[in-house]
Parts: sequence; C-alpha cells; structure tokens
Amino acid sequence: IAGITQAPTSQILAAGRRMTLRCTQDMRHNAMYWYRQDLGLGLRLIHYSNTAGTTGKGEVPDGYSVSRANTDDFPLTLASAVPSQTSVYFCASSEGDRLNSPLHFGNGTRLTVT
Amino acid sequence: EDQVTQSPEALRLQEGESSSLNCSYTVSGLRGLFWYRQDPGKGPEFLFTLYSAGEEKEKERLKATLTKKESFLHITAPKPEDSATYLCAVPQGGSEKLVFGKGTKLTVNP
Repeated sequence: IAGITQAPTSQILAAGRRMTLRCTQDMRHNAMYWYRQDLGLGLRLIHYSNTAGTTGKGEVPDGYSVSRANTDDFPLTLASAVPSQTSVYFCASSEGDRLNSPLHFGNGTRLTVT
Repeated sequence: EDQVTQSPEALRLQEGESSSLNCSYTVSGLRGLFWYRQDPGKGPEFLFTLYSAGEEKEKERLKATLTKKESFLHITAPKPEDSATYLCAVPQGGSEKLVFGKGTKLTVNP
C-alpha cells in the first residue's frame, strides 16, 4: 500500500543522546515535511523539503536537522535530545507545492526524552 | 499573526444528531483551507480542500463550507465511526508554513 512509513513507532531516549527518526515515502512526492504534535499546541512544522537536495526551516527548527538525499527519504535528527522534545513526530509529503496540494501523513513516532 | 481557531474543542453527539464544527481564520489572502481527520494513534487523513468563499464539498456524512472568515464542517446523522479529531489548516500568507488549528475532538455515542 502506497504511503509514508515512519520508524520507530515509539522510542524512549535519554537526554543528551542522538536520535534519527526515519521517514520513507513511495508516492514519488516532491515535497516532504516534519511536524511535531503536542497537546494544546497542535501540529507545528519543524523542517520541510520542497524537492530532493533542498531543505528549509519551519516554525520550530531548533535542535533538529534534516537531509534530503533522494526523493523517498527524509530523516529527522535530534543531535542532543532534551526533555522538551518529547512529542509525537509526524512525517508528511505532498505531490506539489504544499500550498496547493494536501499533505499525506505517516502514523507518527512517539518520542519520550527522559 | 495569522491564526486558525477551531471550536468547540470537544463535542459529544448521539448517533444521528447532526451538528457543525467551526474553523475561523485570520490569514491574509487565503490560498486554500484544508480539513483533516485524525484517529487516535494515527496521522491526520486528508478530507477536503476549499479555495473560495461559497465553495462546498461533501463526503459521505460530511460537508465542508467556506466563507471569507470561516469554514464549517457539517456532520449529518453521525455514526460512532465518525468519532475522531477534526483539524483545519491554512497556508500562512507569504511563507511556507501551513497553520493548523488545535482541532475539535468529536465523540459520537451509539
């Protein structure tokens, strides 16, 4: 079934550790995004990529980095995790420019930083 | 600052009891409004895109409408399987940012 695969599904991480959340899509969508979802704050954009080889910062980029080496993969890295990064992380993709195309979301990674 | 506000935060309905969810926005130069459905433990699932005031779209028991200041998601004769959190989102003017509302959690009791 076409869609977005995120891994791991959940993770408990000690503060200070490095962690990469994986995201792969098989829809050949150009644009990909990382969001975090927190109770009471809703979905907030962390980083995005309009096409392979390019990335951009969203609303809450600090402490996170991304890369887009190819069309299908868009990993999110926490270089040194802090408790405030405890959240549910969603990867999404869209066929074209996000402003005209709906987002397709993965089922998320639930991350707890202790 | 551009904002998206959804109301109510939570809504409980009996099966068959129709109602509406509201999404009001203050972005300048609206370039589309998106509705999503999110089930517990899942990512949001796209429902509708509306682009201009007066536009309406329907899917099963759901109908989305758009005015210049707000959108409504009308739910007609809901069933328990319609229980979910409904999110709306709009592109923020002049940026790559898609602004999401905090959602309305809908519970439909049998």
